[in-house]
Amino acid sequence: AQKITQTQPGMFVQEKEAVTLDCTYDTSDQSYGLFWYKQPSSGEMIFLIYQGSYDEQNATEGRYSLNFQKARKSANLVISASQLGDSAMYFCAMRTPNTGNQFYFGTGTSLTVIP
Amino acid sequence: DAGVIQSPRHEVTEMGQEVTLRCKPISGHDYLFWYRQTMMRGLELLIYFNNNVPIDDSGMPEDRFSAKMPNASFSTLKIQPSEPRDSAVYFCASSLQTGGVEQPQHFGDGTRLSIL
Repeated sequence: AQKITQTQPGMFVQEKEAVTLDCTYDTSDQSYGLFWYKQPSSGEMIFLIYQGSYDEQNATEGRYSLNFQKARKSANLVISASQLGDSAMYFCAMRTPNTGNQFYFGTGTSLTVIP
Repeated sequence: DAGVIQSPRHEVTEMGQEVTLRCKPISGHDYLFWYRQTMMRGLELLIYFNNNVPIDDSGMPEDRFSAKMPNASFSTLKIQPSEPRDSAVYFCASSLQTGGVEQPQHFGDGTRLSIL
């Protein structure tokens, strides 16, 4: 069964520091995609970053990077130089073709950036 | 580029009334997803369509919920009759099929539904 696990319900980070949000996944598929979304208090879901199962390099998008460890089935999000605007819920998600291309979401991590 | 458009943004209605939520996906997207988000249950997939055809509706809570996608640019989610426990934020999202797993979902801004 496809599953995404986010074990950190809440995290705090000092402004300008880096923070890692954990995500582990479970799938027997060889091909899959991993995504991170941000949901600020205003409610919208914002796509941040993507990592493919066959990608050999970790994905990066500006201050966001994905620490992909395939053997451990983990896809942690790293936010560098945290800003107050990074305070939000963060969701990890997986897409697999063998389950109809649907998405599986974790329960989310609430990040608070402290000035 | 226009994103996923949902209407209404907010809906407040009384128990027993019919509620219709609307979604216009991004043009050219093959997949459309309906989600419900609550504090207690998190983000739940209700139903999704591929090329206007429902693929999996196992997340639809009960017969009071129904969803349709009459064409590639429009979908509705109906609740009839509505109950207070249906109060939630309902999201619509769309995605491309081309490129497979690398395609992200793009979400609408959601409909905040309150059933009194």
